[in-house]
Amino acid sequence: DQQVKQNSPSLSVQEGRISILNCDYTNSMFDYFLWYKKYPAEGPTFLISISSIKDKNEDGRFTVFLNKSAKHLSLHIVPSQPGDSAVYFCAASTPPGYALNFGKGTSLLVTP
Amino acid sequence: KAGVTQTPRYLIKTRGQQVTLSCSPISGHRSVSWYQQTPGQGLQFLFEYFSETQRNKGNFPGRFSGRQFSNSRSEMNVSTLELGDSALYLCASSSTQGAAYEQYFGPGTRLTVT
Repeated sequence: DQQVKQNSPSLSVQEGRISILNCDYTNSMFDYFLWYKKYPAEGPTFLISISSIKDKNEDGRFTVFLNKSAKHLSLHIVPSQPGDSAVYFCAASTPPGYALNFGKGTSLLVTP
Repeated sequence: KAGVTQTPRYLIKTRGQQVTLSCSPISGHRSVSWYQQTPGQGLQFLFEYFSETQRNKGNFPGRFSGRQFSNSRSEMNVSTLELGDSALYLCASSSTQGAAYEQYFGPGTRLTVT
């Protein structure tokens, strides 16, 4: 049973514009959410995270928004750069945080 | 700091054989987790170890096992390999201090079962 869902398998955005990647979850016990970026033949790279007590977290060009009532989070990348082209995974964990539940990923392509 | 390392990077085995994969965590990290990535199921949690103890286990058959050594290095073993075990196996390490939930991944071991 997929508890974390990324309903858009792919997204194409022009360089300089905003990329918005979405993620929905079903388990109300999730208390920590993370975004990872993955290039082919590499392991996922941690990008940004957010605790369930917050609704927004920023790190440079990356901002994650959490809407607990809608069980929805999103990752905004502004401005998008060609090097951002990768597969992005949303992940969530329940206390005490030993296991991550992943979505199936969204492939982002940033075109010049 | 050096990142998470996994060996070997690629492996080809025959159905029915067994395989052992190795993972060295980031220095100072005491938690090691294993994940399986397949095109159909995505990334799925296998198990997590801390101080040589398994703290959590995912929904995989008993053919999948692991262990952790006193230096935090970890191994996972898959016995009686099946074709469906072909996957990318990822190891991740985490510090239990501070950002306890953030796991840092290695490059993975690509296992092909023929």
